[in-house]
Amino acid sequence: AQTVTQSQPEMSVQEAETVTLSCTYDTSENNYYLFWYKQPPSRQMILVIRQEAYKQQNATENRFSVNFQKAAKSFSLKISDSQLGDTAMYFCAFSYNTNAGKSTFGDGTTLTVKP
Amino acid sequence: NAGVTQTPKFQVLKTGQSMTLQCAQDMNHEYMSWYRQDPGMGLRLIHYSVGAGITDQGEVPNGYNVSRSTTEDFPLRLLSAAPSQTSVYFCASRESGRNYGYTFGSGTRLTVV
Repeated sequence: AQTVTQSQPEMSVQEAETVTLSCTYDTSENNYYLFWYKQPPSRQMILVIRQEAYKQQNATENRFSVNFQKAAKSFSLKISDSQLGDTAMYFCAFSYNTNAGKSTFGDGTTLTVKP
Repeated sequence: NAGVTQTPKFQVLKTGQSMTLQCAQDMNHEYMSWYRQDPGMGLRLIHYSVGAGITDQGEVPNGYNVSRSTTEDFPLRLLSAAPSQTSVYFCASRESGRNYGYTFGSGTRLTVV
């Protein structure tokens, strides 16, 4: 079974600065998807960004971008111009498109943006 | 608004009681899943479904039952609640084709005393 590891339980960043959250995963397959989800204090899980493994280009969504290193099985999330509303727990997730698309989640990184 | 609706948002049960967590989606998604979230452990898959009438076990299925009689609804039943089932429960759904990620419900915080 695939595993997802987030090695940073907690991180903090000053408002307007840039922060990078790390994620590594383990799989023997070539076709899969990677995701970052955000969980603010409201508890709602929100999809932040998505990466298809066959695409070499790193995904970007406004202030959020990823650094996808397929050979290294690494999938980090960069948040630029951090805002107070970015304070949340962030989960990295892995999913095959087959096998009902079940996702495996990391244990999460709690990010605090300080004013 | 379209999305995944979970009820209730909070629940306290006594050990041995049973209950059903409701989940409904109006996006015509084929895939639906139930996850539990425990402190420091991320989300773990309980049961999932790839369509009406089809369900299967996930990583932590013991003590839970599911059924999927319609595309829209995917209830999770706790058969005999135990303190170890104290957790936050999330229902999620997604399309069956290209994987654009889950849409999650707002979660149910369950406490078993």
